[in-house]
Amino acid sequence: GAVVSQHPSRVICKSGTSVKIECRSLDFQATTMFWYRQFPKQSLMLMATSNEGSKATYEQGVEKDKFLINHASLTLSTLTVTSAHPEDSSFYICSASELPEKLFFGSGTQLSVL
Amino acid sequence: ELKVEQNPLFLSMQEGKNYTIYCNYSTTSDRLYWYRQDPGKSLESLFVLLSNGAVKQEGRLMASLDTKARLSTLHITAAVHDLSATYFCAVTQGGSEKLVFGKGMKLTVNP
Repeated sequence: GAVVSQHPSRVICKSGTSVKIECRSLDFQATTMFWYRQFPKQSLMLMATSNEGSKATYEQGVEKDKFLINHASLTLSTLTVTSAHPEDSSFYICSASELPEKLFFGSGTQLSVL
Repeated sequence: ELKVEQNPLFLSMQEGKNYTIYCNYSTTSDRLYWYRQDPGKSLESLFVLLSNGAVKQEGRLMASLDTKARLSTLHITAAVHDLSATYFCAVTQGGSEKLVFGKGMKLTVNP
């Protein structure tokens, strides 16, 4: 079946550095991917919609200059957390859809900013 | 604004018992999903419900959808410890693949 691959699964970085997270659709093309964020013991909140070949659409309250999204190909979207701070520590999950009701999630990335 | 509410948010039950959990949403939705999440892991898809009256079953879990009431239920039959996890419902709207999630229900099944 269709799989969405997300890397890295875990990253620890120093405050002020930038971190890039990759989300790949392995056997299907995804013109749209989604990035979610989940704080400990909380639900998932949509951060942005990643659109292949165009700018991402950010949800209200999400800083686009801090969370840079690039969707350069039909199988790859990247989320870069720029100048990360401890409050950015969270679980980040991407999703992609092969067909309207076939939605797949990546394995998630646990970001810890020291 | 589309809102999704789950009830209960925490459930502790004994093995072998049955229970139903609920998911309400505030406006018309295209699709409703149920997901399972284990600690530190991503989401595992359980069910996608597309139409009024839809019922799907997999093992000890059965999900149903009432679009008129904007309500989905997830019924647990003869619970086992392995079902312990957090269960999320999520809905889409307006033909988009964007998901709005409920807060999740943490289920603990005690031996």
